Formats: sequence, structure tokens, C-alpha cells
Amino acid sequence: RKEVEQDPGPFNVPEGATVAFNCTYSNSASQSFFWYRQDCRKEPKLLMSVYSSGNEDGRFTAQLNRASQYISLLIRDSKLSDSATYLCVSLYAGKSTFGDGTTLTVKP
Amino acid sequence: GAVVSQHPSRVICKSGTSVKIECRSLDFQATTMFWYRQFPKKSLMLMATSNEGSKATYEQGVEKDKFLINHASLTLSTLTVTSAHPEDSSFYICSARQVTSVDEQYFGPGTRLTVT
Repeated sequence: RKEVEQDPGPFNVPEGATVAFNCTYSNSASQSFFWYRQDCRKEPKLLMSVYSSGNEDGRFTAQLNRASQYISLLIRDSKLSDSATYLCVSLYAGKSTFGDGTTLTVKP
Repeated sequence: GAVVSQHPSRVICKSGTSVKIECRSLDFQATTMFWYRQFPKKSLMLMATSNEGSKATYEQGVEKDKFLINHASLTLSTLTVTSAHPEDSSFYICSARQVTSVDEQYFGPGTRLTVT
């Protein structure tokens, strides 16, 4: 079993749609969690950190459920520019473990 | 913001040759740098953790004699792929963690290596 598992995707949604990505992690000792965005043939860029209380940044909302070892990312009012691969990341002992990513394509 | 550069961005080499990739933190000091490789449509796989002034820590299955890592200063780490083979062709990405940060890491733009 992979340490970080994500929805396989791909997600193809129209502009303006709301889309949710899920991620589970197996290491209960993981300390921090993040969502990164990666565009094709580019490096990952931090989208947001994920906190137990949930956090929101504009159209993006991230949630962490430690009991279920589950992380989610919600994107509201999708834009064409949101098309990318979204990587779920857990951090433990200073090392980051990445999920395989979920590809999102937002269409006009 | 924190910027990490990598050089070269793209390299094509012949089988059997060695290739050196540089990772630099441009506006901050990084005691720890990480080297990842990424195959198409797959996620980043951590190869090794590089700490300034000490030996790198390699992940299981990564040959330390093949992937030589040097972290000689707080702003520079190098990865040398020795005796490269076509199966070493991949996207290599480094990241750096600020001295003052526990969690956040900043990624370089990556180096695409093609071994012919």
C-alpha cells in the first residue's frame, strides 16, 4: 500500500464547477500535510498547508481528518487556469512523501 | 520569496558518461536539500536528503555510488549521475528547506535528463 494515496482521476470539469480531491495517508505519525500544484513539466508549487481545523484560501478549502487519516481539497468556481496536477503531501521526520497526484482539466 | 535554481534545465548525454546537476538556493540558506526524481505521470520519489557539511542520506533502493550528492555550502548541493544509462532518464528536482523553517520546502525548476 502506498503511503499517500490519491484519487486516480483524471477530473474533467466545466468552468465554474466545484471539484473535490481526496487523499489518504498511512503513517499516523505524519506531522504536517500540504497540497501542491504541478503544471506539466514544471516543478511543484505549494498551494496550501492543511490544518485539522480546516483552512480556506480564496476558492480553495483544505481539510484534515486525523482520525480517518484523510485529507481533502475543494476547489470552487473552477477556472481554466486551475488545470494542473494536484499533489497531496505528508511530512514526517523532515521528509515529504508525495501522492501520485490527481489531474484536473477545466474546460470552457 | 525563496528561490531555488537548478542547472542545467535540460541535458542530453551518451550512455556511460556522468552528468552533474546543481541546485542553488538564491536568497536563503538551506541546511537541508532534497533530491527527487519523477517519471512521466508519476509523483516525486525522494532519492536522498542532503545536509550541509555531512554525508547524504539515501532512500532505500537508491545507489549512493551511482548518484553522488555533495552539499558543500548552505546554498549549493550537487547531484552527479555517474555512468548514466537510458533508464536514468528522468526529471530530477531538488528542493531546499530554509534554516528557519521546519515544514516548507522550495522546489527548483527541475532538470530533464535524457541518456541516449
